[in-house]
Amino acid sequence: EAGVTQSPTHLIKTRGQQATLRCSPISGHTSVYWYQQALGLGLQFLLWYDEGEERNRGNFPPRFSGRQFPNYSSELNVNALELEDSALYLCASSPGRSFGSNQPQHFGDGTRLSIL
Amino acid sequence: GNSVTQMEGPVTLSEEAFLTINCTYTATGYPSLFWYVQYPGEGLQLLLKATKADDKGSNKGFEATYRKETTSFHLEKGSVQVSDSAVYFCALNRGNNRLAFGKGNQVVVIP
Repeated sequence: EAGVTQSPTHLIKTRGQQATLRCSPISGHTSVYWYQQALGLGLQFLLWYDEGEERNRGNFPPRFSGRQFPNYSSELNVNALELEDSALYLCASSPGRSFGSNQPQHFGDGTRLSIL
Repeated sequence: GNSVTQMEGPVTLSEEAFLTINCTYTATGYPSLFWYVQYPGEGLQLLLKATKADDKGSNKGFEATYRKETTSFHLEKGSVQVSDSAVYFCALNRGNNRLAFGKGNQVVVIP
């Protein structure tokens, strides 16, 4: 069974540009989560999508946004990039809301976003 | 809100030594608790979980017990290998499906 896949592996942008990160969940999972792992800040929750809708959002500015497609894959968009957005962005998936809120989340290998 | 705290600093030990990484939590109710491991250049892998008080999660020789009385979920392994070198994260569900992670502990196992 394929795990969570993310693309690209690395992404280099400059300040002010926009970045798009992609994630495909484990087959059969309907929930997708995004986390930011920045140096010195640890892992922070960004967004949760389930069944195509945003279900929860972390404490990040509106320039961080995303969406979930009918096949449950997801995109994370970051607009007006700033230097402090440099981080590893991790996507995770789980079976979905109907399975309860304590399901473990399964992570991909991440996209390393570097802002020059 | 719900949160976890891991002990500060890296852990360096010799092969076949006993490993303990401390994790304490603050929570309303009884959220599930998790340990994740991150190998260099990779994402997080679920190592083990416990869903209620007194549950013991175990995997690959690692164990952790959900202790309500001490609000702890310490990770232990009886005999570590060089291949166990990684960063270990304790986590719990904060509610509404958002995981809260500890800061992580770098474990270095020396041959």
